[in-house]
Amino acid sequence: QVQLQESGPGLVKPSETLSLTCAVSGGSISSSTWWSWVRQSPGKGLEWIGEFYDSGRTNYNPSLKSRVTISVDKSEKELSLKLKSVTAADTAVYYCATGSGSVVVWGPGTTVTVS
Amino acid sequence: SYELTQPPSMSVSPGQTARITCSGDALPKRYAFWYQQKAGQAPLLVMYNDSERPSGIPERFSGSSSGTEVTLTISGVQAEDEADYYCQSADSSGTYSVFGGGTKLTVL
Repeated sequence: QVQLQESGPGLVKPSETLSLTCAVSGGSISSSTWWSWVRQSPGKGLEWIGEFYDSGRTNYNPSLKSRVTISVDKSEKELSLKLKSVTAADTAVYYCATGSGSVVVWGPGTTVTVS
Repeated sequence: SYELTQPPSMSVSPGQTARITCSGDALPKRYAFWYQQKAGQAPLLVMYNDSERPSGIPERFSGSSSGTEVTLTISGVQAEDEADYYCQSADSSGTYSVFGGGTKLTVL
């Protein structure tokens, strides 16, 4: 089964761009219909950031849309997230997830602090 | 923007039935998904398409839908079911997804 692993800098300065990657292993990246990023601020609930569909279509959270870019590199088997102009409010655990039908796989998450 | 509403918390005794609700205006048109998240762990899909149970999820988990509300039911709650539960669905046009605020289930 596909496994996901997020990676990126754990500390980002305010106003800079947060860049994360999600490596896909253990299976074919083509087996998924969608890939998404979700975050969770300390002590808070899940927040959907956006998703990339196999068709090439992307959807974003309206509140983040102006700052977010999600892309998939199938040759490198990775999903990426770029979030511009970060503030302390972007401090969170960031998860990547992928799925098709009843099968949904999440990465373990990576903590990003904006300070 | 679109919102899904869940009760913040719920407590049940072992063996009882927990019913966690999620309400949203677009739920009659869009499927709902339910995730279980235990402390320090990534979420786990426990229900999809309102009432379909993924492979490996115990039969005590079930889902239903009625109008603008979906419900996750856990029959015969066990101590291991103590977790946060989140519903997820899309807005009416399918443009973006949202999560409910989460329900903390405590098993007394």
